[in-house]
Amino acid sequence: KAGVTQTPRYLIKTRGQQVTLSCSPISGHRSVSWYQQTPGQGLQFLFEYFSETQRNKGNFPGRFSGRQFSNSRSEMNVSTLELGDSALYLCATSMGTGDSPLHFGNGTRLTVT
Amino acid sequence: GQSLEQPSEVTAVEGAIVQINCTYQTSGFYGLSWYQQHDGGAPTFLSYNALDGLEETGRFSSFLSRSDSYGYLLLQELQMKDSASYFCAVRVIAGNNRKLIWGLGTSLAVNP
Repeated sequence: KAGVTQTPRYLIKTRGQQVTLSCSPISGHRSVSWYQQTPGQGLQFLFEYFSETQRNKGNFPGRFSGRQFSNSRSEMNVSTLELGDSALYLCATSMGTGDSPLHFGNGTRLTVT
Repeated sequence: GQSLEQPSEVTAVEGAIVQINCTYQTSGFYGLSWYQQHDGGAPTFLSYNALDGLEETGRFSSFLSRSDSYGYLLLQELQMKDSASYFCAVRVIAGNNRKLIWGLGTSLAVNP
């Protein structure tokens, strides 16, 4: 069974640009969550999508947005990039029901210069 | 607010036993999970406790006491490859949604 696939693995962008990250879940997983990870801040929850609908949202500004497609693949977009957006962005997928564990992708390392 | 506390760093030697504690202050508690993350890698699921008591999976065990709002991860027969960060995460019910609240992680260093 293929794991969670995130693309690209690395990105370098300049301030003010926008970026789109992609996540392909494990087959059968309908929930996709996005996290931002920076040293000392742990995993910061961005949002969760389930069946193409945003089910939960963290405390990030509106520059961070996402969507989910009918095949459960998800994209995350960050507009007007800031230096502080430099981080590892992790996608986690699950069946989305009850206590189903999260399966994480290897992440996208975003550097904003 | 909702918060979790776990130690930032723990050091141990090969073959030893280490316990990583997690205390939480949340409403709508549903369950406690543990994840392991090696440097540069993806977090991987280790265990989940919804009821009080001990869950054992090989060298790893996880414990929960809902009355004390407390849990721990116990790692036995430590190996060098256990050096990693360990995150506790509490699943809570908020309205119609279930959310995960994450701790900041505990960095475990296993020395020879």
